[in-house]
Amino acid sequence: AQSVTQLGSHVSVSEGALVLLRCNYSSSVPPYLFWYVQYPNQGLQLLLKYTSAATLVKGINGFEAEFKKSETSFHLTKPSAHMSDAAEYFCAVQSGGTSYGKLTFGQGTILTVHP
Amino acid sequence: ETGVTQTPRHLVMGMTNKKSLKCEQHLGHNAMYWYKQSAKKPLELMFVYNFKEQTENNSVPSRFSPECPNSSHLFLHLHTLQPEDSALYLCASSQAASGAPYEQYFGPGTRLTVT
Repeated sequence: AQSVTQLGSHVSVSEGALVLLRCNYSSSVPPYLFWYVQYPNQGLQLLLKYTSAATLVKGINGFEAEFKKSETSFHLTKPSAHMSDAAEYFCAVQSGGTSYGKLTFGQGTILTVHP
Repeated sequence: ETGVTQTPRHLVMGMTNKKSLKCEQHLGHNAMYWYKQSAKKPLELMFVYNFKEQTENNSVPSRFSPECPNSSHLFLHLHTLQPEDSALYLCASSQAASGAPYEQYFGPGTRLTVT
């Protein structure tokens, strides 16, 4: 079984401040991990993914995430927030093995960016 | 058209109506998915199709009936819905293979309101 927990349903930062969105996972086999972003009235867009290569993964729009096996975490960061980063962010886990691309999503974190 | 498209974008239907949601992917993928996104709840995977065959049904009520005539098209037939079925229905596709970390690409969703 696999599961994802996103700590904090809402995160608020000032423009230019560090963004940190937390994600912890549970998986019985080595996982693949993803971060998606959803803007209002749109579908989900992939930000980045971890596939057991480098533990520090860089994605689009200046975001990156670090896979820490010992902490079962995959937190998303961005050094300097921009107003356009305001959206809802979802962490997702896919276990290896026989699951045909099945993703389990966290409950999402709404990021608000203040001027 | 590019990516994953969904029609209609908005749908209002009564509890006795029958309607269908359509999804089309232009990415050459072999797997397609239906998700339900309700307010304050995690994304719920409803159905998975791999090479037109249904490989997953997450205990979805029979008032939701999926159809996948080919790898590019996916339908969700709706009948006798309940108000709690009001949600954003998202379609996704991926180049899924057993145990491989292929990301999913999402459509913009259909906003369904059941009155």
